[in-house]
Amino acid sequence: DAGITQSPRHKVTETGTPVTLRCHQTENHRYMYWYRQDPGHGLRLIHYSYGVKDTDKGEVSDGYSVSRSKTEDFLLTLESATSSQTSVYFCAISGSGGGTYEQYFGPGTRLTVT
Amino acid sequence: AQRVTQPEKLLSVFKGAPVELKCNYSYSGSPELFWYVQYSRQRLQLLLRHISRESIKGFTADLNKGETSFHLKKPFAQEEDSAMYYCALKYGNKLVFGAGTILRVKS
Repeated sequence: DAGITQSPRHKVTETGTPVTLRCHQTENHRYMYWYRQDPGHGLRLIHYSYGVKDTDKGEVSDGYSVSRSKTEDFLLTLESATSSQTSVYFCAISGSGGGTYEQYFGPGTRLTVT
Repeated sequence: AQRVTQPEKLLSVFKGAPVELKCNYSYSGSPELFWYVQYSRQRLQLLLRHISRESIKGFTADLNKGETSFHLKKPFAQEEDSAMYYCALKYGNKLVFGAGTILRVKS
């Protein structure tokens, strides 16, 4: 496995509370991504980063914010969690691509909002 | 807009039978397509990319631009092929994924 870890791996939280998920990489890759995985929807991009302090929105960014202050860390924050944000969250990383473009995935974080 | 469609949520086959997981895409540029696989309790991982024209674990996929398809095929399914399969399309430095197909291989 590429050097990607996610923390926490499981979390149960209440509606309205803030939650931060962390993605940490040891590969020095430029690009980092946050996805959510839901049945019937596959993986959907929430936010991504193309460098330190450089981030952009994905297709399902409402209710989420991100920060990347170091190459190795990409944080996903739910400012005020809602039940619709119950999901499995995956972090991924990639290099600059070319002919061997590949995204490498973390182990996932299962978040339950009650 | 770029889109990936996997029409089957679940595909159930017997061991030794042929497998075809369907993937269709919508993209105005030159497509670059991938298949990712997620085995039970494991991370999502790349299975194959069309640009490499490779065969991995007996799976192949051919890009058909006329039909905008990138179906995944294997002539003889094995029980260890049971997993969730995602088709993905690259745009810029991002991927858009289909909804995924669960492949269940029965003995």
